[in-house]
Amino acid sequence: RKEVEQDPGPFNVPEGATVAFNCTYSNSASQSFFWYRQDCRKEPKLLMSVYSSGNEDGRFTAQLNRASQYISLLIRDSKLSDSATYLCVVNMLGGNKLVFGAGTILRVKS
Amino acid sequence: EAQVTQNPRYLITVTGKKLTVTCSQNMNHEYMSWYRQDPGLGLRQIYYSMNVEVTDKGDVPEGYKVSRKEKRNFPLILESPSPNQTSLYFCASSLAGSRVEQYFGPGTRLTVT
Repeated sequence: RKEVEQDPGPFNVPEGATVAFNCTYSNSASQSFFWYRQDCRKEPKLLMSVYSSGNEDGRFTAQLNRASQYISLLIRDSKLSDSATYLCVVNMLGGNKLVFGAGTILRVKS
Repeated sequence: EAQVTQNPRYLITVTGKKLTVTCSQNMNHEYMSWYRQDPGLGLRQIYYSMNVEVTDKGDVPEGYKVSRKEKRNFPLILESPSPNQTSLYFCASSLAGSRVEQYFGPGTRLTVT
């Protein structure tokens, strides 16, 4: 089983739609959680950290469910510019190892 | 401008010919790391370094070497490249380990024939 698993998609949605991605992780001792965005052939960039209480940044909302070991990302009012690959990233407790999911592809169409 | 730079950006080489990919950051970051990205597998950590002269293996270190003689530089060395090392490589740095935001370089696309 992969340490971090994501639905690869692609998710094809119209502009203005709400879309949600889930990510599951296998190590219950995982400590820190992130969503990164990666545009085609470019470097990943931090979208947002994920906090235990959940957090929101504009149209983006991240949730963490430790009991079920999954993280979610909700994007409201999708824009064409949201088209990218979204990477779920987990830091393992006590270590300096980051584990990346393979990514979920989002395509927003007009 | 705060950034992570990598060179070269593109490289085509032949099996067995030693190569080095350089990585440099100008943010005075303690932590640096190397990843490779392959389709369907996501980014996998090769090596990381917590500070000067301190390096540790990641998930896929075989066939790679690193060094951290200066805080700003973290070169990746392939002593004898093989075709299975054809990949997209990213260097990253952060202020404090892997629990905070990672800043990635632009990537190096390596092809080994």
